[in-house]
Amino acid sequence: QVQLVQSGAEVKKPGASVKVSCKASGYTFTSYDINWVRQATGQGLEWMGWMNPNSGNTGYAQKFQGRVTMTRNTSISTAYMELSSLRSEDTAVYYCAREVAATGYYMDVWGKGTTVTVSS
Amino acid sequence: QSALTQPASVSGSPGQSITISCTGTSSDVGGYNYVSWYQQHPGKAPKLMIYDVSNRPSGVSNRFSGSKSGNTASLTISGLQAEDEADYYCSSYTSSSPWVFGGGTKLTVL
Repeated sequence: QVQLVQSGAEVKKPGASVKVSCKASGYTFTSYDINWVRQATGQGLEWMGWMNPNSGNTGYAQKFQGRVTMTRNTSISTAYMELSSLRSEDTAVYYCAREVAATGYYMDVWGKGTTVTVSS
Repeated sequence: QSALTQPASVSGSPGQSITISCTGTSSDVGGYNYVSWYQQHPGKAPKLMIYDVSNRPSGVSNRFSGSKSGNTASLTISGLQAEDEADYYCSSYTSSSPWVFGGGTKLTVL
């Protein structure tokens, strides 16, 4: 079945970087964009950006421009999201989600999330 | 890009119907038929419930329905069940981001 499997929880110090992975299975990885969405504890969903696994093209929310980098390794069907200059406000669960853009636009499959804790 | 506006909470008794609204602008909800709704239980990932305003993915109960009028989209859940208690988020394609989410609505089944 189609699924996205994310890497495990991370604890980082302020100022450090974190790289979260998202491994796709059950479909052709290069046929669907991957979006990244985060959720701070008790808060709503916040869209961070997208990546086209085929071309490597990316688009980032203005809030994260300059701090986020989305990449992929097509040989292992894995997408990555790296966030730098971490601060306490970046403590959140980070989700990857597959985007359908054929008959409409929506995110149909989500990873289970990766908890990133930023603490000194 | 500002978040879409949803009520913080709604509630209903088992068997009743409830509606959750999602208000945006002509640059997002009003400009595209690409509104989706997600259900999220505590500690779980969001689950797609409605896409492209009113379409249900395979496996989602027909008790869930979506609609849109102008800049406001709505999710209606009929025949409320205890398992429907969760947070619900709307999302829309936008002319800028391309995605924006609502602030979320906590549904309580009384």
